[in-house]
Amino acid sequence: AQSVTQLGSHVSVSEGALVLLRCNYSSSVPPYLFWYVQYPNQGLQLLLKYTTGATLVKGINGFEAEFKKSETSFHLTKPSAHMSDAAEYFCAVGVDSSYKLIFGSGTRLLVRP
Amino acid sequence: DAGITQSPRHKVTETGTPVTLRCHQTENHRYMYWYRQDPGHGLRLIHYSYGVKDTDKGEVSDGYSVSRSKTEDFLLTLESATSSQTSVYFCAIREVGSTDTQYFGPGTRLTVL
Repeated sequence: AQSVTQLGSHVSVSEGALVLLRCNYSSSVPPYLFWYVQYPNQGLQLLLKYTTGATLVKGINGFEAEFKKSETSFHLTKPSAHMSDAAEYFCAVGVDSSYKLIFGSGTRLLVRP
Repeated sequence: DAGITQSPRHKVTETGTPVTLRCHQTENHRYMYWYRQDPGHGLRLIHYSYGVKDTDKGEVSDGYSVSRSKTEDFLLTLESATSSQTSVYFCAIREVGSTDTQYFGPGTRLTVL
């Protein structure tokens, strides 16, 4: 069965520092991979996704993620954190033709001034 | 925001009472999903629909039923609410095609006392 593991339930960085949020997945077939962001008391917003093709995917708000098949990883990065990036981030894998999503448990990003 | 609304947005109810949550979409999407969000678990799929009157179970379907009598509405029913069903419930649609992405509604916060 597919699963998603996000390492670190909380990550704290200083404003201007590199953001790295880790995601590893298990899937027996080529996966569809997603990162979503959730701001307090809001729904989920799509940051970026990988389906096929280029393994480095660029998303909104300066985020990007790299699909590494050999490592079964899809880590999310941003070169320079901004205070507005403080939120919870979810990695997800798409399952079969029904496109059900399996989510990781989430990582809360804290940005220090 | 993919034209998704959820109602009610907040609800407090008592154990043993029936509860129905509504998801409404305005863009004629075929696929619709219900997830619940709980701390430390990310989002977990309850039920999904791939067309009018076509539904299937997800990972955590026990205690829930769904109905879809028309394309735009997907209802989630808790026949007899329990405290373990206190959660935030999100509806999502799948936008098929070049994007092939799930977009989420604003959520319903349900408290079962």
